[in-house]
This record gives sequence, C-alpha cells and structure tokens, in this order.
Amino acid sequence: DTQMTQSPSSVSASVGDTVIITCRASQGIASWLAWYQQRPGKAPKLLIFGASTLQSGVPSRFSGSGSGTDFTLTINSLQPEDSATYYCQQANSFPITFGPGTKVDIK
Amino acid sequence: QVQLQESGPGLVKPSQTLSLTCNVSGDSISSGDYYWSWVRQHPGKGLEWIGYIYYSGNAYYKPSLKSRLTISVDTSKNQFSLRLSSVTPADTAVYYCARRVTGHFDYWGQGILVTVSS
Repeated sequence: DTQMTQSPSSVSASVGDTVIITCRASQGIASWLAWYQQRPGKAPKLLIFGASTLQSGVPSRFSGSGSGTDFTLTINSLQPEDSATYYCQQANSFPITFGPGTKVDIK
Repeated sequence: QVQLQESGPGLVKPSQTLSLTCNVSGDSISSGDYYWSWVRQHPGKGLEWIGYIYYSGNAYYKPSLKSRLTISVDTSKNQFSLRLSSVTPADTAVYYCARRVTGHFDYWGQGILVTVSS
C-alpha cells in the first residue's frame, strides 16, 4: 500500500495567517492527490484534486501543489470557518489511502 | 444537485453482519461515469477507504476487508449497498458513501454511525 504522511499533525494560527500543510507519499503518485476538509461531525468536503485543481465552489484562498511524493496544501488569509481537519488522499495505486489528517485551529 | 444518503441499523451485535444502503439522487448510477464508494472513519480517527463498485457490478475491496465485505448495486433503485460480515467492535465507525470520479471523491453522504456492541 502507498502510505501517506502529513505534517504537522496540528497547527494553531490566527485569522489572516497563511497555513501550509504537507503530505508525503511513500512512493511516487504523479499528481493523483486530493485534499479534503472535514469539520467536526460533518462529512469530508473535496477541496483540491489532481494535486492542484480547485474544486468548484471552493474559495481561492485554498491552493495545492506538488507531484511525485511531496505535496502541499496552502490556506491563504485563514478564516474562522477554516477550522477543521484536512486530509490528503492518493489514488495512483490500489488501494486508495488517506493521510492521517492535520487539525487546523484558529487562535 | 447530487445527494447521497446512507441508511441502516445504528447498532449491530458482534459476529453479525453490518448492512448499509446508500441512496443516490441527482445522478444515475447507470451513467457509468463514476465508482460508488464506501469510506469509514473510526471514532476520533482518520478516513479509511473500504471499497467501491461500478454500475456493472464490478467491485473492488480493501484487501484487509475483502474476506468479509460485499458491495452490491441496484441500478433500478439507484442505490448501492455494503455488507460486512463477522463484525467486531473494531468495525465501529461512521460509514460514508461517496461518489468517486477519476480518483477522488466529489460527493459524500452525511455518514451513519454504526456501533458494534452486544
């Protein structure tokens, strides 16, 4: 299986800050990477797919980059509603696997 | 607007079979454009993909669950189902159904908590 790791595991930042979350795959996955946001008690929401393509309706302060094994999710101008856990997910190899998540808190 | 809705018992006894159904609206499972998926989340933990099915009935399962898992599709009802046999408390989780398109999951159900307990 392709193992996904994320760092940091949690981050606390202020409104207006920039938050960067990294995701690393145990083997190359080209650009087969997606990012999800999950608020407490809610289903995950797709933010980015193909490593860098913003899902329709997602604010432009979210952006993704990377290919191969190293990826980043950047949240510019952090907003209160961005308080959530963020997961990366690979679909290059079977079975599909998710990262362990990064919890973003607002100071 | 595509919507997915899980249904089924919220409590299952150990050794029994967990059965859930996902009803799809706003899209036709028979369109053939997507894989229809199940993802679960243990309490306080991360996301775990467990399987998906194509409208034709071809199903793909997480290897560690394959011996206990069956995913089926009913195109006439526009729904798909999950059956997980011989459950233990380790199968307690929120189960989500989701639509998979070219690798990622773009629509999700709200999730259903299934507790395995006697």
